[in-house]
Amino acid sequence: ETGVTQSPTHLIKTRGQQVTLRCSSQSGHNTVSWYQQALGQGPQFIFQYYREEENGRGNFPPRFSGLQFPNYSSELNVNALELDDSALYLCASSLAVSSEQYFGPGTRLTVT
Amino acid sequence: AQKITQTQPGMFVQEKEAVTLDCTYDTSDQSYGLFWYKQPSSGEMIFLIYQGSYDEQNATEGRYSLNFQKARKSANLVISASQLGDSAMYFCAMREGTGSARQLTFGSGTQLTVLP
Repeated sequence: ETGVTQSPTHLIKTRGQQVTLRCSSQSGHNTVSWYQQALGQGPQFIFQYYREEENGRGNFPPRFSGLQFPNYSSELNVNALELDDSALYLCASSLAVSSEQYFGPGTRLTVT
Repeated sequence: AQKITQTQPGMFVQEKEAVTLDCTYDTSDQSYGLFWYKQPSSGEMIFLIYQGSYDEQNATEGRYSLNFQKARKSANLVISASQLGDSAMYFCAMREGTGSARQLTFGSGTQLTVLP
């Protein structure tokens, strides 16, 4: 196990609703990256937080937003959910921006 | 253009045999890193092996080795002495040297099934 935890494990939401996913990074890690993995595909980078600031963003619309807290845990918020947002959401923590990323078990989001 | 290409959607291997999973990449950076991850059905991405673009030796980690051919831009994963527990999805990923986030770019994966 990597020491990275995510909650909840599974989530079912209705189209148009909002959702918040949580990630606790490994002890001492100040960088958290979020990825979306649709069924049958590889993970895609959403954004990264480094010391509470967004440090880079992939090709995702503004309704995907995030936060990082002083203890370096992080949240991913998705507004106005769409059916295509159904996916496994993975967070990964690292000691620094260019260090190896350790992944959590993921949150499986289903939008109906 | 795809940055990471994995051309084998599925592979089968007999237990105790070796198997090679293919990965080709595309980057204009001189400094980059290549990774292989294993993803069981539970979903967690498990790091297997890393190869830096400047590393002259191929990386090895136990039963895993990375066949790095820089001129051909390929980074194939070799699993020796396959075990039933190796059955999983395998992803090749690249981290390029530029960009503030140094995020990982993943391929589409290869589903490996080890047969008893």
